Amino acid sequence: ELKVEQNPLFLSMQEGKNYTIYCNYSTTSDRLYWYRQDPGKSLESLFVLLSNGAVKQEGRLMASLDTKARLSTLHITAAVHDLSATYFCAVVSGGGADGLTFGKGTHLIIQP
Amino acid sequence: NAGVTQTPKFQVLKTGQSMTLQCAQDMNHNSMYWYRQDPGMGLRLIYYSASEGTTDKGEVPNGYNVSRLNKREFSLRLESAAPSQTSVYFCASSLQGFSMSDTQYFGPGTRLTVL
Repeated sequence: ELKVEQNPLFLSMQEGKNYTIYCNYSTTSDRLYWYRQDPGKSLESLFVLLSNGAVKQEGRLMASLDTKARLSTLHITAAVHDLSATYFCAVVSGGGADGLTFGKGTHLIIQP
Repeated sequence: NAGVTQTPKFQVLKTGQSMTLQCAQDMNHNSMYWYRQDPGMGLRLIYYSASEGTTDKGEVPNGYNVSRLNKREFSLRLESAAPSQTSVYFCASSLQGFSMSDTQYFGPGTRLTVL
């Protein structure tokens, strides 16, 4: 059974600081996804990471994937209040349209 | 281009009542999914449909049924609602079910309360 663990589950940080969210998964997968969810809203796709060593960046967010360690990271650089949200990582367990297994999410609050 | 739409947005049911959640996508996607989101639990897959005419169980299918009515529409039915089914339900779709850089696009959600 595929398990996806995120940590921390809750993070309060100050604007201007850097921080990293970690996502570990239990079985082999070569595709990992990061989503953002604002309170009461739907999920927005941030990154799709397809291969070992993949790194993607969008603004102050950078995601990486290490398939050998079964680890992905989401790094926040010089955080701003607008990045406050819940961030989910998700993994496809096998080939085909078998859906995503999500982590429990990291609730991120960025304070001025 | 509305993306993924869901109806209703909110619903309150009494235990034992039935209802159908509707989902439609206008992106010509082949695969569609139903998830539920509970506080502190992330999202969990209920059912999915890889293509028109096929459906498969996900992680938490008990108490639900689905119908892939056509390529655009994928409905979720609760035959006899229970308080444990109080949740936010999200429908999603993807082009080919995670081929290459495919991603899932989510609808706005249905907030269901079962009393």
